[in-house]
Amino acid sequence: GENVEQHPSTLSVQEGDSAVIKCTYSDSASNYFPWYKQELGKGPQLIIDIRSNVGEKKDQRIAVTLNKTAKHFSLHITETQPEDSAVYFCAASIWGKLQFGAGTQVVVTP
Amino acid sequence: DTAVSQTPKYLVTQMGNDKSIKCEQNLGHDTMYWYKQDSKKFLKIMFSYNNKELIINETVPNRFSPKSPDKAHLNLHINSLELGDSAVYFCASSTTLTGTAFSGNTIYFGEGSWLTVV
Repeated sequence: GENVEQHPSTLSVQEGDSAVIKCTYSDSASNYFPWYKQELGKGPQLIIDIRSNVGEKKDQRIAVTLNKTAKHFSLHITETQPEDSAVYFCAASIWGKLQFGAGTQVVVTP
Repeated sequence: DTAVSQTPKYLVTQMGNDKSIKCEQNLGHDTMYWYKQDSKKFLKIMFSYNNKELIINETVPNRFSPKSPDKAHLNLHINSLELGDSAVYFCASSTTLTGTAFSGNTIYFGEGSWLTVV
């Protein structure tokens, strides 16, 4: 089955700096790669996603890149703000199963 | 309006009891899921239903029995609760099965149900 690894497990950044989270997946048939943000006491919320036929996608301060050959994808957050502090999950999807990475606790300090 | 709503939000119960968590989505989606998040925040799929039919059962013990009376509802019943069942359970939905060739793969999660077994 699919296995998703996510690094780092924790990430502390100064407000205004960039944050990068990296994930790798094992099953080359995976074709959908969403990123979720989970705030304390809440459910995961989709922040951006990318499909296998696209190499990069951007939405304001958030961007995701996908390298299908190397089977890795990354989340980039620019100009970080305190409200970006949360746990971020990457995931890879194949035939109904969304396999999550272990999560990255992002802390943005003012 | 809440897209995916689940009740109760908090549940504390004793070992051996039977409990249910209810889930409803008002997004018109065909597919619903249950995910379990353990104390280390790891999220793992338990079940998925597509149009009331079980599609995925991810080697979950028989004590867990999902029921889908219609495609807008997917309830989770747990028999003979054990200490290890303590976790946050998330209901979710999507237009179709995620990861298939169809579009609309986005999965929307509910706010979670915190289950504590004592």
